[in-house]
Amino acid sequence: GAVVSQHPSWVICKSGTSVKIECRSLDFQATTMFWYRQFPKQSLMLMATSNEGSKATYEQGVEKDKFLINHASLTLSTLTVTSAHPEDSSFYICSASSLGEGLGRETQYFGPGTRLLVL
Amino acid sequence: GQQLNQSPQSMFIQEGEDVSMNCTSSSIFNTWLWYKQEPGEGPVLLIALYKAGELTSNGRLTAQFGITRKDSFLNISASIPSDVGIYFCAGLETSGSRLTFGEGTQLTVNP
Repeated sequence: GAVVSQHPSWVICKSGTSVKIECRSLDFQATTMFWYRQFPKQSLMLMATSNEGSKATYEQGVEKDKFLINHASLTLSTLTVTSAHPEDSSFYICSASSLGEGLGRETQYFGPGTRLLVL
Repeated sequence: GQQLNQSPQSMFIQEGEDVSMNCTSSSIFNTWLWYKQEPGEGPVLLIALYKAGELTSNGRLTAQFGITRKDSFLNISASIPSDVGIYFCAGLETSGSRLTFGEGTQLTVNP
């Protein structure tokens, strides 16, 4: 299957600093990428949909000025957590949409996740 | 909004047993996807289903896309300890749209 990478895999930062997480589709082009947040023992919570070359669409309750998303190319989307606070500590996962087998056969592949701990 | 009801929430089985889990929806989906997630990792795609009635296998895993397009099941045959993890179903309405996830099934396999 298609491969999606995330970097870094984990990060520890001080409260008030900003953290950037990269999501890359390694062997396919993704016009749409998605950013999720996951709390322990819970399902994934969609934060925003990122379309290449346009502004991201944020889910209700997600602050766009706090979680900056940039989808500059068909293989790269970034999520920047600005002025991070301890409550932002979580597991952040991206996914990329692949039409590898053509229209009507879309699949979404997930990255390995980034564990963020804000002290 | 759309919801996917996934059951059971958790399963505790002995190695070698078969496992079945399912998802139902109040809405129609055009694509059903099944993922497995292990602790500290992202979900890994197991099976993708694109057509109502479709039955697809991947090794010991078999999944079906319900005829009504509102449900799907995943079976695991002859379970082994490495099958442990959380299994999620996900529905996709249209191309490029967001996934709707089930709540997950936590599978524990006792050797």
